[in-house]
Amino acid sequence: GESVGLHLPTLSVQEGDNSIINCAYSNSASDYFIWYKQESGKGPQFIIDIRSNIDKRQGQRVTVLLNKTVKHLSLQIAATQPGDSAVYFCAENFSEMGSYIPTFGRGTSLIVHP
Amino acid sequence: DSGVTQTPKHLITATGQRVTLRCSPRSGDLSVYWYQQSLDQGLQFLIQYYNGEERAKGNILERFSAQQFPDLHSELNLSSLELGDSALYFCASSDGSARETQYFGPGTRLLVL
Repeated sequence: GESVGLHLPTLSVQEGDNSIINCAYSNSASDYFIWYKQESGKGPQFIIDIRSNIDKRQGQRVTVLLNKTVKHLSLQIAATQPGDSAVYFCAENFSEMGSYIPTFGRGTSLIVHP
Repeated sequence: DSGVTQTPKHLITATGQRVTLRCSPRSGDLSVYWYQQSLDQGLQFLIQYYNGEERAKGNILERFSAQQFPDLHSELNLSSLELGDSALYFCASSDGSARETQYFGPGTRLLVL
């Protein structure tokens, strides 16, 4: 789930299981959301995005669900693999003066056990 | 490899000093973003430039400044450094379209002693 405080929440799963990572966003004006994956020692990497006019979007092994009513976003990873081990961030974006201002969640650490 | 390059990879300096971090965006990208990532604050948006002009400002301290040059590379200047400025600094670029998918560089790790 979404982190609170200094420590990242951790999700531990077995290889092959499905993973669900949750994120609560704060700004009801946010209309564009992105999930990023950050491996140790690397910059965040784009995984999937979703605009607020839809509530579900699928990619390769990943699905993002958006619930605007409760300001909640989730990332589902199917058949999780050891290479999926990383910190996952959600980012909410709202448009101000023609530009998107991103606000990142604190992240969730996903650990996949072989 | 995202196509975004950042130099230097590591930087160690002392309090009170000034440093410059450099970023080259992906070919064709007009927007450059700067972020600070620290253990206690997570990933914080600092500032965005689009085609040489400042477009959006986030939680950037007055001691910090940035610019984007005509060749679209960007520099982040950090001055009067404090211990708390120790962090990873990421640059990201996008094509400036409405989609605004950002591609992150590998980061510069700054350590202020």
